[in-house]
Amino acid sequence: DTEVTQTPKHLVMGMTNKKSLKCEQHMGHRAMYWYKQKAKKPPELMFVYSYEKLSINESVPSRFSPECPNSSLLNLHLHALQPEDSALYLCASSQLGGLFGNTIYFGEGSWLTVV
Amino acid sequence: GNSVTQMEGPVTLSEEAFLTINCTYTATGYPSLFWYVQYPGEGLQLLLKATKADDKGSNKGFEATYRKETTSFHLEKGSVQVSDSAVYFCALSGDAGGTSYGKLTFGQGTILTVHP
Repeated sequence: DTEVTQTPKHLVMGMTNKKSLKCEQHMGHRAMYWYKQKAKKPPELMFVYSYEKLSINESVPSRFSPECPNSSLLNLHLHALQPEDSALYLCASSQLGGLFGNTIYFGEGSWLTVV
Repeated sequence: GNSVTQMEGPVTLSEEAFLTINCTYTATGYPSLFWYVQYPGEGLQLLLKATKADDKGSNKGFEATYRKETTSFHLEKGSVQVSDSAVYFCALSGDAGGTSYGKLTFGQGTILTVHP
């Protein structure tokens, strides 16, 4: 069962709001990811967590704050966003180690609109 | 660094036509190669993968063969259906010995539309 669950599916927020996106996986994966995708474009990597520690931050603005409470959960805290931050936010996970070709599995995404 | 060049679309086909979407890559070492599909309004789904040279990935009638000599991973399907209409992304992940391990590099995506 390869499933990454994301909530909420849709979120509309004002530029002064604080909100969070949530992600959960129960595949025993020890790497989790946040990607941002604009319409008709490939996903862009934002953050990578490895063994619950932040290992990669792709120079993402501080208004995006990731959190990995445990090996199954990944959050993305949002504050003071701009309209250009409106996008599909994808969570993903993978095993660490080469046995399975480090296949990355994606969730359905959270559609974010900043007004 | 790693890069993926994917056939530009959009591609429009009639049902039961043959599909090829070209994908070539540049990478050091021995990357893993993937095709992901994104249906309208949805996230990315893994369609197929190959982890070493000459491997053939296949799923739902789609196939792609990892060709190291031509650095290619072209996606093919013998007879497309309307339900195959989606965006297709070719991607690679660096091998375990490299700093890009676990990071996906995507092509630009190809929009496929299949008409009845």
